[in-house]
Amino acid sequence: ILNVEQSPQSLHVQEGDSTNFTCSFPSSNFYALHWYRWETAKSPEALFVMTLNGDEKKKGRISATLNTKEGYSYLYIKGSQPEDSATYLCAWKEGGSEKLVFGKGTKLTVNP
Amino acid sequence: DVKVTQSSRYLVKRTGEKVFLECVQDMDHENMFWYRQDPGLGLRLIYFSYDVKMKEKGDIPEGYSVSREKKERFSLILESASTNQTSMYLCASSLSVIGPGHRRGQPQHFGDGTRLSIL
Repeated sequence: ILNVEQSPQSLHVQEGDSTNFTCSFPSSNFYALHWYRWETAKSPEALFVMTLNGDEKKKGRISATLNTKEGYSYLYIKGSQPEDSATYLCAWKEGGSEKLVFGKGTKLTVNP
Repeated sequence: DVKVTQSSRYLVKRTGEKVFLECVQDMDHENMFWYRQDPGLGLRLIYFSYDVKMKEKGDIPEGYSVSREKKERFSLILESASTNQTSMYLCASSLSVIGPGHRRGQPQHFGDGTRLSIL
């Protein structure tokens, strides 16, 4: 069974706090690791697609790192804002597959 | 920008009805996917299609079928709706990993979802 695990399940932080979540995935036959942000009443939006071990990507206050050898990725949010409140999904793609295997997500709530 | 359009945001149907959920994408993507999302279970793949008239079962295909007669359109069919199919349904599309250009870093693009209630 190919499992993608995300932790924590949910997180409440205060505006201005920095935070991070974890995604763990199978380390064999790695092809790509995706991060999506899913806000209530909207469609999931791609944040990053990471393909190389050691990749670091940044988009504004959000950044992500990738370790394919040990099978984990971190998503960091610096100075959280209420508009960052969303469910953050990671998804793993293995070589030769068109499919993504999703984790169950981390639900972030940023209190003003 | 890629646009993935699902035909309905909210739908209410009765047990035993045949239900059609439609999805259209405008970026000539080879792949299209149907997921359902339930609390505590995350996104689960029902079916996907990698080309016109081609389909593959996902993790939870029971009670569903799909149709892809044209590249831009992917339909999910509930043959005889049951209450345990009440859920949020999401459609997505993506480029195939096979083909010219840098495709390895391409994401999936999602529709807004259909919240389906079966009474």
